[in-house]
Amino acid sequence: DAKTTQPTSMDCAEGRAANLPCNHSTISGNEYVYWYRQIHSQGPQYIIHGLKNNETNEMASLIITEDRKSSTLILPHATLRDTAVYYCIVRVAEGAQKLVFGQGTRLTINP
Amino acid sequence: IAGITQAPTSQILAAGRRMTLRCTQDMRHNAMYWYRQDLGLGLRLIHYSNTAGTTGKGEVPDGYSVSRANTDDFPLTLASAVPSQTSVYFCASSDSRDRPRFFGPGTRLTVL
Repeated sequence: DAKTTQPTSMDCAEGRAANLPCNHSTISGNEYVYWYRQIHSQGPQYIIHGLKNNETNEMASLIITEDRKSSTLILPHATLRDTAVYYCIVRVAEGAQKLVFGQGTRLTINP
Repeated sequence: IAGITQAPTSQILAAGRRMTLRCTQDMRHNAMYWYRQDLGLGLRLIHYSNTAGTTGKGEVPDGYSVSRANTDDFPLTLASAVPSQTSVYFCASSDSRDRPRFFGPGTRLTVL
């Protein structure tokens, strides 16, 4: 599986867009980009995933660069409840059993 | 119930004892997973099941066993607990094989 690199921590003001970067320069053609988050003391939460097109759902948007070597998760209007650790994971679609969660980015939303 | 439930919420266990962590989902998802989360190591997959009647080993299966007698339940058993199994355990389920979709609230297990 391709390795991902994320900043250890980030801060964002409440109400602003939070942009979380992820580098995956060794991604292969059949690997998807997945994003999860984990709020303190809770189980992880699936956010979004994509292959090469930008994706949007009710929680966030995922922007993948044309060369697919990096991506950005966008929370359009961050709230205090978005404070969490965000995990970027790269994996082929088949075989979620080997979805590997790294260290992630600790995002703090400030009032 | 809605979603995934896990029991117990927390447990302190003596080394050598047998323990079963329970996981139940009411979404009729085919795929279910067990992860453990340890500080500095992220989430690691223990066992998984793509459908009732089948199971598979994840990244750290040693010392754990699972069964999937039906769609809703996916218990995780520690046959003889050891202190290194002290962790927070999360169960997850999915309607797709490509990703765990919903996670339970977790079980905090301490083995002394």
